[in-house]
Amino acid sequence: GENVEQHPSTLSVQEGDSAVIKCTYSDSASNYFPWYKQELGKRPQLIIDIRSNVGEKKDQRIAVTLNKTAKHFSLHITETQPEDSAVYFCAARYGGSQGNLIFGKGTKLSVKP
Amino acid sequence: DTGVSQNPRHKITKRGQNVTFRCDPISEHNRLYWYRQTLGQGPEFLTYFQNEAQLEKSRLLSDRFSAERPKGSFSTLEIQRTEQGDSAMYLCASSGGDLYFGPGTRLTVT
Repeated sequence: GENVEQHPSTLSVQEGDSAVIKCTYSDSASNYFPWYKQELGKRPQLIIDIRSNVGEKKDQRIAVTLNKTAKHFSLHITETQPEDSAVYFCAARYGGSQGNLIFGKGTKLSVKP
Repeated sequence: DTGVSQNPRHKITKRGQNVTFRCDPISEHNRLYWYRQTLGQGPEFLTYFQNEAQLEKSRLLSDRFSAERPKGSFSTLEIQRTEQGDSAMYLCASSGGDLYFGPGTRLTVT
């Protein structure tokens, strides 16, 4: 069945360093890949997404890259700050534009001041 | 109406009891999803609706779970004969493109 693998499960960086989280997906027909940030006790919040017609998208300190041939996509956070500490989830949409999202298991990012 | 809302926010029930949760999506969104999340895991897909039609249900979903969206607006998720393994956060989300989550209902089965 559809599957999204996410690595690493935990990531600790010093403030100011970069953080990279990687995901792979199984269905080559997937065309939409969002990233969510979940702070402790709160709902997942959409932070950025990428669609299969582009290879990279950037929004201030956050960027996502997509390699459709290899079926993997990545989240890059530059100049990390303590408030970036949270659990980050990648997801892939299956079943076309009306399909549902399958999530990875999450990466707990800790940014140490 | 600025976001997805869910009620109740917390529910404690005894094993074997039935529970029902409600989700009110963003008003202009026609798709509504239910997910379950346990500690240290990502949201796990349960089912979703396009307007009032239930289009997909997870193969992992027990027959004790049922969801409705009778008028294509709010939705309810019912769990019958609850088990301790049902303890989790139940997240509702709606979409008109991007997916937005509600605050969740935390279920504890004792």
